[in-house]
Formats: sequence, C-alpha cells, structure tokens
Amino acid sequence: GQNIDQPTEMTATEGAIVQINCTYQTSGFNGLFWYQQHAGEAPTFLSYNVLDGLEEKGRFSSFLSRSKGYSYLLLKELQMKDSASYLCAVRHYSGGYNKLIFGAGTRLAVHP
Amino acid sequence: DAGVTQSPTHLIKTRGQQVTLRCSPKSGHDTVSWYQQALGQGPQFIFQYYEEEERQRGNFPDRFSGHQFPNYSSELNVNALLLGDSALYLCASSLEYQGASGYTFGSGTRLTVV
Repeated sequence: GQNIDQPTEMTATEGAIVQINCTYQTSGFNGLFWYQQHAGEAPTFLSYNVLDGLEEKGRFSSFLSRSKGYSYLLLKELQMKDSASYLCAVRHYSGGYNKLIFGAGTRLAVHP
Repeated sequence: DAGVTQSPTHLIKTRGQQVTLRCSPKSGHDTVSWYQQALGQGPQFIFQYYEEEERQRGNFPDRFSGHQFPNYSSELNVNALLLGDSALYLCASSLEYQGASGYTFGSGTRLTVV
C-alpha cells in the first residue's frame, strides 16, 4: 500500500527556521512534491525532488533521501504569510501512468 | 495565462441529489486529475483523464464518474449524494509527459451535502 506521514501541526516564530518532515512508503516512486495551501485555496507548487539531495529555492529548500523514504521542507526567515498547510505528495508511477498521493498535510502557524 | 478554472466555487446539495463540477485546465495541459479533500485532510485521488479516457481511478465508488472533452476540459459527476461527500473538490491539470513542472491546481469547488 501507499503511506505518507507528516506532522499534523507545527508552530514557529516569525524570522525563525522550521523543518517539516515527511516519510513515505510507496512502490513506483517517481518524485516528491511539496505544496503550500492556504485555507480554502488551491495548493501551490513549492518544490520537487526526484534525486537524492537538497533543492534550494529562495527561502524554501527541500531534501530527499529515497533509500530512507524521507523528505523535508525547510522554510527560512519565516513570515506571517507562511502560515498555511504544507502538503507532501509522492508521484506514484503504475501501469504507465502517474498520479499524486498526498499526505494529510502539516498546518504551520507562524507567530510574531 | 489563465491557470486552472473550476466552477462553481461553492454549492449546497441535498442527500440523494446529483452534482456536476467543471474544470478548465491550464493552457497547454492535456491531462486532468480530480481530487477530493475533506476538511483537515490531504487531497485523495479520484480519477484521471487523458485523451477523453479515464485511465486511472482511486478508491471511489461508481457514483463518481467523469468526462473529458476534446478541448481537454473535464466534468466530475457525483450521483446519489451522501453527507460524507461534503468536501473540497480539486482539479489538477498537467502534461502527459512532465517532470518538475508537475501539476497546476484549481481553487476547487466546495460541496456541502445537507
């Protein structure tokens, strides 16, 4: 089966750094995405990893270890607008097609 | 460049009724996937359409059906609505062959079944 785990909630202070972890157990792994979702809005793309290592994109970085089934999203210089849910999603390949499998999301609250 | 457009944004239906949700993909995208997102949960894959065919399906009953039109737009139909069908329904478009470009999501349709 497919299983993706991430913490339910996290809190952090404005200006700080926070790391959101994601572990997965899935066959047909074909990449991992991180999305940000504000309440009632569409998920927006943050990062994508398919090879092991770190991908950096401004204040956001994402890391992947395929052998450990582990990823994290690192948010630096936190701002109040970063308060949102962060979704870890694995692209699963099967039968010639891809689909996204999501974790339940991590709700991040950034405080002044 | 318009992204993914979904309609309606909100609707309220009664148990047992039928509903149709619509999605226009991002320009240049040819594949449409539908997801159901319950409150406080991650999106759950319903099905995916490419070249007007359903080619993947998640663990959803036959009450959930869909269609893709020649212009790549798509509809999601749900029959015999249950209270548990209340959720945010997201449409995501993509290219058949994509790498990091991934998926573009619409803002969703909030369905409430009473």
